Amino acid sequence: GAGVSQSPRYKVAKRGQDVALRCDPISGHVSLFWYQQALGQGPEFLTYFQNEAQLDKSGLPSDRFFAERPEGSVSTLKIQRTQQEDSAVYLCASSEQGRSTDTQYFGPGTRLTVL
Amino acid sequence: QKEVEQNSGPLSVPEGAIASLNCTYSDRGSQSFFWYRQYSGKSPELIMSIYSNGDKEDGRFTAQLNKASQYVSLLIRDSQPSDSATYLCAVSGAGSYQLTFGKGTKLSVIP
Repeated sequence: GAGVSQSPRYKVAKRGQDVALRCDPISGHVSLFWYQQALGQGPEFLTYFQNEAQLDKSGLPSDRFFAERPEGSVSTLKIQRTQQEDSAVYLCASSEQGRSTDTQYFGPGTRLTVL
Repeated sequence: QKEVEQNSGPLSVPEGAIASLNCTYSDRGSQSFFWYRQYSGKSPELIMSIYSNGDKEDGRFTAQLNKASQYVSLLIRDSQPSDSATYLCAVSGAGSYQLTFGKGTKLSVIP
């Protein structure tokens, strides 16, 4: 079946612009995660949804970052007033239930470059 | 703060040799351990998961877990050039859904 998809794959923004990144999880997966991966680093947790509920947003770096999953499927990560330090690959992952033993399946990521 | 440590490498091994990748973690409450492979410019792909002490084998891959030492490793037997990638160790805790990743070890298998 189809895996996790993300769009756009690449995004270039001028500093101060708002951006929206989309994630389509694997059909039927309850849990959805966003991670940020800087160059040469491992992914870092941003936020977690179980269905439409955002259960953890402790990893969001500032109040410029906002995520939603209104119908429990597609999710959008929005970054307002982008800064150069926001440049990274944003990875979305989904899992069946969100248990600690569940495999998280990753999408291809969106590479954000802020000029 | 939960930490996961890996040698960044690069680790170079000749084709056909055994590659050994190591990872330590700081949170004693960690319960689930994962090895992901990430090719350059691609997303992480799960290679192995392990939840209890000991060894777990899957084809050419063996994961080893020692909770007392807070240590997890991945062995790749008969290494192939196609194994050349960055290997990410990831950990999650009791009742915790998020993964904490190490920085990854870059493996190069030399033909």
